[in-house]
Amino acid sequence: EPEVTQTPSHQVTQMGQEVILRCVPISNHLYFYWYRQILGQKVEFLVSFYNNEISEKSEIFDDQFSVERPDGSNFTLKIRSTKLEDSAMYFCASSYAGQPTNSPLHFGNGTRLTVT
Amino acid sequence: SQQGEEDPQALSIQEGENATMNCSYKTSINNLQWYRQNSGRGLVHLILIRSNEREKHSGRLRVTLDTSKKSSSLLITASRAADTASYFCATGGNYGQNFVFGPGTRLSVLP
Repeated sequence: EPEVTQTPSHQVTQMGQEVILRCVPISNHLYFYWYRQILGQKVEFLVSFYNNEISEKSEIFDDQFSVERPDGSNFTLKIRSTKLEDSAMYFCASSYAGQPTNSPLHFGNGTRLTVT
Repeated sequence: SQQGEEDPQALSIQEGENATMNCSYKTSINNLQWYRQNSGRGLVHLILIRSNEREKHSGRLRVTLDTSKKSSSLLITASRAADTASYFCATGGNYGQNFVFGPGTRLSVLP
């Protein structure tokens, strides 16, 4: 069964550094998402992406965040200047269709970002 | 916010027992979905129920939806140790509103 893959599985970075988290969504999916989960807490929506542009973003997704689909397969999340509070598990997800259609999200296994 | 809120926050049962988790939400929805997360892994979609449906089954899973009470329940029958995980409900709203997850219920099934 096709799956969403994320790399790296674990990223350690120093405060103030830039990080890029990478995702390869399922190939025929059209909608892409980033969520994050601070350890043991709820899964928070960051951003959704469709047709090469952001379709929705949360208040968490401020100017230090950006997303890009640099080619036909990758979907990246860049954090420009990391802060300690950015430490979390970052999940990429994709779906064939967006809302309001009934299309489930397919998640990757996440990248654990640790900012020191 | 149409965020789902699950309860209980944690549930511990013996293998073979049934587990029931509840989800409440605030605004109108198009559908409600349940996901499972094993420790340190991504979320896995379990079941989706549309706003015009009241009950849905999938294997040992049974989901109900009461739109008048803005609530849903997930029942896992004859639980197994492998069912140990966190369970999240997610609400899908009208166009442009992406899935919003609740804080989850941590289920422990003891052998």
